Amino acid sequence: EVQLVESGGGLVQPGGSLRLSCAASGFTFSRFWMMWVRQAPGKGLEWVANINEDGSVKHHLDFVKGRFTISRDNAKKSLFLLMNSLRVEDTAVYYCVRELSGGPDYWGQGILVTVSS
Amino acid sequence: QSVLTQPPSASVTPGQRVTISCSGSSSNIGRNSVYWYQQLPGAAPKLLIYKNDQRPSGVPDRFSGSKSGTSASLAISGLRSEDEAHYYCAAWDDSLSGWVFGGGTQLTVV
Repeated sequence: EVQLVESGGGLVQPGGSLRLSCAASGFTFSRFWMMWVRQAPGKGLEWVANINEDGSVKHHLDFVKGRFTISRDNAKKSLFLLMNSLRVEDTAVYYCVRELSGGPDYWGQGILVTVSS
Repeated sequence: QSVLTQPPSASVTPGQRVTISCSGSSSNIGRNSVYWYQQLPGAAPKLLIYKNDQRPSGVPDRFSGSKSGTSASLAISGLRSEDEAHYYCAAWDDSLSGWVFGGGTQLTVV
């Protein structure tokens, strides 16, 4: 069974940092593109970043470029999102998502990040 | 404002059929496949349709997808109360080099 379990969320002050982690199991992690998608409270879905199988290709949403960095550790079957200079507008549930058949297919349950003073 | 445009809401009676539209541009839907997701209240999104019209195993054939030009549609027939959810479309955008989503359609079955 495919499982994606996010961790590392919580409350942080504006300007602070957090590192999200996603532990994958039930599939060969190193063979898949992965991504982070977020959802602000009561709002729609917003793609944040994605990364290819070996970590050599990364794309980030313009709004987070220079502040967020996606990475992965295939040996540990883990996906990461390092978030610096956090803003109130970054408050959201962050989902770890696998890509299959060219698009996002399986989603984790999500982790809440709250940026507030 | 979302790059892909969906109607914000739809309301239908049980047993009826509904079509949810998703409008984009030549840099996203016009060139790339469309994906559809169902998000039940308090849950993570679930893949309903991939590559425009393909259903993952386990998704009932009441759900179908289509694409024409820069627009796509999700059709749901034989609506049930458990279909009440938000529905989102998504596509890769070549100009933005990123995934773009529709704003979501809240479906109510009354």
